[in-house]
Amino acid sequence: EVQLVESGGDLVQPGGSLRLSCAASGFTFTDYWMSWVRQAPGKGLEWVANINHDGSAKYYADSMKGRFTIARDNAKNSLYLQMNSLRGEDTALYFCAREGGLGYWGQGTLVTVSS
Amino acid sequence: DIVMTQSPLSLPVTLGQPASISCRSSQSLVNREGITYLNWFHQRPGQSPRRLIYKVSNRDSGVPDRFSGSGSGTAFTLKISRVEAEDVGVYYCMQHIYGGTFGQGTKLEIK
Repeated sequence: EVQLVESGGDLVQPGGSLRLSCAASGFTFTDYWMSWVRQAPGKGLEWVANINHDGSAKYYADSMKGRFTIARDNAKNSLYLQMNSLRGEDTALYFCAREGGLGYWGQGTLVTVSS
Repeated sequence: DIVMTQSPLSLPVTLGQPASISCRSSQSLVNREGITYLNWFHQRPGQSPRRLIYKVSNRDSGVPDRFSGSGSGTAFTLKISRVEAEDVGVYYCMQHIYGGTFGQGTKLEIK
């Protein structure tokens, strides 16, 4: 069974940093691109970033370029999202998803940016 | 950036009746190999989204056959042949030919 478990969400002050993690199991991690998607409270889905099989290609939504960094550790079957210079509008539930086409999703981890 | 536009944004439907959601992209979603990267998702309140359809018209495993996807180029449609109570929630289209972009979402409710 495919499982994606996000962690690392927290309350952080504006301008702060946070690193999210996603632990993957139930499939061959290195066979798939991986993605992050977020959802602000009461709002729609927003694509954040994705990364290819070996981490050599990364793509970001324009609003997150330069502030967010996606990474993966294939030895640990883990996906990461390093978020810097956080703003109030980054407050959201952050989902990890398998593939560029988002075939499987985790339950999400909540990031709250507030003073 | 590719913009995805869904309509309608609100869709009240009677149980057992059909429903249809339109999704238009600001650019073609067809790559050089002729593959169209357009997916549909369903999100129930308090749950993670679930993919229903990938590459325009392919149903994911376990998705009832009352759901169907169609379209080409920049215009796409999700159809539900007979709406059931479990179909309530928000439906999103999404392109992933260039990064990714979601539509605004269509909220389906039972009349």
